[in-house]
Amino acid sequence: KQEVTQIPAALSVPEGENLVLNCSFTDSAIYNLQWFRQDPGKGLTSLLLIQSSQREQTSGRLNASLDKSSGRSTLYIAASQPGDSATYLCAVTNAGNNRKLIWGLGTSLAVNP
Amino acid sequence: SAVISQKPSRDICQRGTSLTIQCQVDSQVTMMFWYRQQPGQSLTLIATANQGSEATYESGFVIDKFPISRPNLTFSTLTVSNMSPEDSSIYLCSVAREQGRYEKLFFGSGTQLSVL
Repeated sequence: KQEVTQIPAALSVPEGENLVLNCSFTDSAIYNLQWFRQDPGKGLTSLLLIQSSQREQTSGRLNASLDKSSGRSTLYIAASQPGDSATYLCAVTNAGNNRKLIWGLGTSLAVNP
Repeated sequence: SAVISQKPSRDICQRGTSLTIQCQVDSQVTMMFWYRQQPGQSLTLIATANQGSEATYESGFVIDKFPISRPNLTFSTLTVSNMSPEDSSIYLCSVAREQGRYEKLFFGSGTQLSVL
């Protein structure tokens, strides 16, 4: 059974720092992995999607990597800003089932001015 | 991208009553998904709603408790029936939309439900 773990559960950093959020999964047979951002009262926003054949994806100050063999993904945020404060969720889609996502509990990030 | 309007955004309900959550999408989609996010827990898929057929429920969720309607390709409702405090949660609707070669998930803003 696929399980997704995110470390740390919470993180507080000063503005301007580069930071890394971690996601691990127990079954390496995945179709893709996604990173989402959740803001209170605003639902979830998809940040980056990495297919199983890919190693990384970049969008602006965000870079997500995927090491399928070790069951790990990292979300790197460069030059963090207070507006980055949110909960970041990692979710995997198992190979063979393209619809059901398995979610981590998230990392709650606070970027302090 | 997809614009999803979900309402209500929050509600406080009495035990034993029912609440219907609405989800409107700005364009036609085949499948819509309903999730629950309980405090301190990860998102859990409740059911997948297809237009013109009964919803497909995940293990642990039943139609009597969470009836779903899907009258057309842009709209769906989820009802939380005979509520108890354990139903206090965030409920989210979601759709999948093709972007390039892949599908991405888009979410409504969520419904924060508190049951007294």
